[in-house]
Amino acid sequence: EAGVVQSPRYKIIEKKQPVAFWCNPISGHNTLYWYLQNLGQGPELLIRYENEEAVDDSQLPKDRFSAERLKGVDSTLKIQPAELGDSAVYLCASSKGTSTEGTDTQYFGPGTRLTVL
Amino acid sequence: GIQVEQSPPDLILQEGANSTLRCNFSDSVNNLQWFHQNPWGQLINLFYIPSGTKQNGRLSATTVATERYSLLYISSSQTTDSGVYFCAVERETGGFKTIFGAGTRLFVKA
Repeated sequence: EAGVVQSPRYKIIEKKQPVAFWCNPISGHNTLYWYLQNLGQGPELLIRYENEEAVDDSQLPKDRFSAERLKGVDSTLKIQPAELGDSAVYLCASSKGTSTEGTDTQYFGPGTRLTVL
Repeated sequence: GIQVEQSPPDLILQEGANSTLRCNFSDSVNNLQWFHQNPWGQLINLFYIPSGTKQNGRLSATTVATERYSLLYISSSQTTDSGVYFCAVERETGGFKTIFGAGTRLFVKA
């Protein structure tokens, strides 16, 4: 079984440029998460999808970040415009259950390392 | 919001030694997970353990939900155990939110 797939693995951009990250969850997983991880810290949740609905986006900086999960499968996270402080690793995770059925184990992708110059 | 504290922050072990990592959380939670982040950055799920005890090879975990803590035991440590161990809790507060601790950085010497 394939794991969570993310692309690109690395991205270097100049500040004020847009950037997008893509995530394909494990097949059959209904819940998808985007996290941000700064160096030396634990991941921080940005947004959680259950199927195609964003059920928690309270930590997403909506002035410059946006996300979508059309058809409830793969997802895209976008930053426009990027700032120097956005340099971090962006992680995607998925889990099979939803809050209605009962949440369960999260499986993580390899992440996208973003560097903003 | 809920606070998740992990201890110790750093740990150096000689290969073959045993260790206990602790995770304290400040409020009731719906579930708790332990992860290992290897030196290449990949997060690997170790245990999904909202309560009780589980074992997987040299690793075991215990969560005492009523006392708001969880322990991860590593026995006969190996150099491949090196990395960062994270505890993550999930709590329903107007939506399920996952909160990670700051992690325990483990280095196992050969």
